[in-house]
Amino acid sequence: KAGVTQTPRYLIKTRGQQVTLSCSPISGHRSVSWYQQTPGQGLQFLFEYFSETQRNKGNFPGRFSGRQFSNSRSEMNVSTLELGDSALYLCASSFKTDNSPLHFGNGTRLTVT
Amino acid sequence: ELKVEQNPLFLSMQEGKNYTIYCNYSTTSDRLYWYRQDPGKSLESLFVLLSNGAVKQEGRLMASLDTKARLSTLHITAAVHDLSATYFCAVDILGGNKLVFGAGTILRVKS
Repeated sequence: KAGVTQTPRYLIKTRGQQVTLSCSPISGHRSVSWYQQTPGQGLQFLFEYFSETQRNKGNFPGRFSGRQFSNSRSEMNVSTLELGDSALYLCASSFKTDNSPLHFGNGTRLTVT
Repeated sequence: ELKVEQNPLFLSMQEGKNYTIYCNYSTTSDRLYWYRQDPGKSLESLFVLLSNGAVKQEGRLMASLDTKARLSTLHITAAVHDLSATYFCAVDILGGNKLVFGAGTILRVKS
C-alpha cells in the first residue's frame, strides 16, 4: 500500500515569491492535514481538509492557503514568501477525521532566500 | 489555549536501561498520540490512546494515558541503539486531526 506522497521534496524560493506544495494521501483516506515543522516552533497545525472542505485551520496568516480535490489530493499554497516560512511542510492523511492515527508523508523542505 | 509539554527534552540512555518520557497537557482530552521521527525522516505513528487508563505496548515501548492527571507516559524498557530518535506526543481536543504537538524528546541510546 503506497504511503502519503509529497512533491516536491525540496524547494528553494526567493522572498516575495509564491509556492505550491502537493500531497497525495493514502488510497481511501479522505482527511488530509498539513503541518509546518521548524526548529524554533516545532510542529504546528496549518489546516485540515475532509471531502474537499476545510474543517479546521491553525493560527497562520492568510498567505497560507490550501485546497482538496475530489480525489482527496491536496495542495497548499504560500504567497508572498518570507524568510520565516523556511520549514519542513508535512502532509498527513487519515481514514476518518477522529481517532485514527495520522500517516505522514516525507515532507517538502522549503528554503526561502 | 492547549499546551503540551514533554520532558525531558533530551535523554541520553545506556543500552539495557529503562526510562520514561512524560507528556503533560493543559486541557481535557481523551485522544493522545505518540510519534517517532528519525533524523531527516517523517513521523511514524507509534500509539493511539483513546481513553483514560489506556495502555499500549509494542516491543520495548509502552504508552499509557491518565486523562484525569492530563498525563501520558512513554516507557522504554532495556533500551537498544535502534530506539534512538525523536519522540513526540500530540493531543487532539477539537477533532478533525488538529493535533497540538509537544516539543519532542531527543533520545540517544549509547552502547
